[in-house]
Amino acid sequence: DAMVIQNPRYQVTQFGKPVTLSCSQTLNHNVMYWYQQKSSQAPKLLFHYYDKDFNNEADTPDNFQSRRPNTSFCFLDIRSPGLGDAAMYLCATSREGRGAVAKNIQYFGAGTRLSVL
Amino acid sequence: EDQVTQSPEALRLQEGESSSLNCSYTVSGLRGLFWYRQDPGKGPEFLFTLYSAGEEKEKERLKATLTKKESFLHITAPKPEDSATYLCATKGVYSGGGADGLTFGKGTHLIIQP
Repeated sequence: DAMVIQNPRYQVTQFGKPVTLSCSQTLNHNVMYWYQQKSSQAPKLLFHYYDKDFNNEADTPDNFQSRRPNTSFCFLDIRSPGLGDAAMYLCATSREGRGAVAKNIQYFGAGTRLSVL
Repeated sequence: EDQVTQSPEALRLQEGESSSLNCSYTVSGLRGLFWYRQDPGKGPEFLFTLYSAGEEKEKERLKATLTKKESFLHITAPKPEDSATYLCATKGVYSGGGADGLTFGKGTHLIIQP
């Protein structure tokens, strides 16, 4: 089945040790998003790629970066994780068209639970 | 700034006891209101999209409705497997970045007791 796959499902890292989370999709969607969800909180958008164009949210810390080497894969890099970065990280995809008529559905992966020791 | 508020935060029902979840929103130029279901430790699963006031959609025991200020998710005769967190999200005015993320509420944690 076509889907959004995140790896790993659980990631434990040490304070300050760089970590990379992975997302792949078989939906052939042109937009990929990364959200951060802390316990009992709403998912919060970090950034997204529209095709190869990177769009950062204004309040996303510089500690978070992303790469999209091709249509199918997107990575979330956390350069120096702090205790406050422990969260569920959700990848989502959608098919969008240029302009103001982007109403399409976002499909989510199962998430990566990040723990920082 | 878009805001989405869901109530109640938590709801416990007996099996078969119908109820409604509320999603109030303040969004400039609503381009869609979305309902998702999220099970513990998993990503959100899409349920419905509503685009204009007066619109309604149904799926099994769930029915979503939309007004100009809020959306309701009605659950009729729920079963224990309907237990989950239900998230409401909006997409507002186009910001010019090619696409837009969703603004989520914190969700309603629903428990259906047998």
